[in-house]
Amino acid sequence: AQSVAQPEDQVNVAEGNPLTVKCTYSVSGNPYLFWYVQYPNRGLQFLLKYITGDNLVKGSYGFEAEFNKSQTSFHLKKPSALVSDSALYFCAVRDTAAGTASKLTFGTGTRLQVTL
Amino acid sequence: EAQVTQNPRYLITVTGKKLTVTCSQNMNHEYMSWYRQDPGLGLRQIYYSMNVEVTDKGDVPEGYKVSRKEKRNFPLILESPSPNQTSLYFCASSYRRDKLNNEQFFGPGTRLTVL
Repeated sequence: AQSVAQPEDQVNVAEGNPLTVKCTYSVSGNPYLFWYVQYPNRGLQFLLKYITGDNLVKGSYGFEAEFNKSQTSFHLKKPSALVSDSALYFCAVRDTAAGTASKLTFGTGTRLQVTL
Repeated sequence: EAQVTQNPRYLITVTGKKLTVTCSQNMNHEYMSWYRQDPGLGLRQIYYSMNVEVTDKGDVPEGYKVSRKEKRNFPLILESPSPNQTSLYFCASSYRRDKLNNEQFFGPGTRLTVL
């Protein structure tokens, strides 16, 4: 069965510093990987995805993520954090081995707190 | 504006009183889905629909019903709500279900409290 883990409930970083939000996954086949962000009282918004190709994926708001197959990880990164980046971040995975029956499985979320 | 809308946004009800949460999308998406979000559990899929009149169970379907009579609408029905259904509910949609790399578009959420 596919799964995704976000080992940190919360990440604290000072504005201007780089940030990393961790995600690891487990699938049978090849993964499709997604990051979503949830701002307070809002639905989830798509940030970026890895399908195939370049392991470094760039997305919205200056975020990027690095796919590492050997470590089964897809960590979200940003070179310089902003207070406005404070939100709840979800990693999600789809197992291509399941074909059209593939589900999107979400992690439990990581709260990012950026302070001045 | 392309969007997924849900109504109501907030609802407090009592055990056993039937309720419906509506979901509508204006992007002509084939695929629609309902999730519930609970602290420490992330998002869990309740039901999904690959197209009109095609629905299937997700991971936590017990106590819920759905219907897909029109492409744009996907209501979530709680026939007899119970307190363990108190949660934050999200509707989502995406293009063709068989395009596994499609991202999903989410509604703003419905916070349901069952007393």
